[in-house]
Amino acid sequence: RKEVEQDPGPFNVPEGATVAFNCTYSNSASQSFFWYRQDCRKEPKLLMSVYSSGNEDGRFTAQLNRASQYISLLIRDSKLSDSATYLCVVRGGSYIPTFGRGTSLIVHP
Amino acid sequence: GAGVSQSPSNKVTEKGKDVELRCDPISGHTALYWYRQSLGQGLEFLIYFQGNSAPDKSGLPSDRFSAERTGGSVSTLTIQRTQQEDSAVYLCASSSDHSNQPQHFGDGTRLSIL
Repeated sequence: RKEVEQDPGPFNVPEGATVAFNCTYSNSASQSFFWYRQDCRKEPKLLMSVYSSGNEDGRFTAQLNRASQYISLLIRDSKLSDSATYLCVVRGGSYIPTFGRGTSLIVHP
Repeated sequence: GAGVSQSPSNKVTEKGKDVELRCDPISGHTALYWYRQSLGQGLEFLIYFQGNSAPDKSGLPSDRFSAERTGGSVSTLTIQRTQQEDSAVYLCASSSDHSNQPQHFGDGTRLSIL
């Protein structure tokens, strides 16, 4: 089993839709979790950290389920500009974060 | 500067040449990472520096790759005797410590080996 797994997609949704991605991780000792977005041929940019109690930033909601070892990202009212690849990042006992391969989102008019 | 700075933005060189890539992390960030990303692929970890500790070189793909970090700040990634398979975007990231803080990435260096 890979350390961090994501459905590569693409998720193809219309503007205004709600879309959710999951990311599973194998190391139960993982301590911190993040979502990044990466636009084509650009560097990854931090979207949000994921806290144990769940957290929200505008249209974006992140949740952590330690029992089932996954994190999720929910995007409400999708915009064309949300089209990107969303990377899940997990940090455990090692100081080296583990990146998922990413989930591709395409928002169309 | 406000963010992680990498140079050059683009580098085209002939197979067999040596290249040096530079990363200037966010001021005060003690942790620095190098990754590479081939077209359409995920991030591949290369090397990690934390303060004055010995770097974690576990991701370096061959002995042609090396990196150093002088004075706990600027880092240089060197690739000797470049091969075509070294063509990729090389990304540098820094974070304020090694526990629960997120990484911040530079724009990357796009390396093309002819």
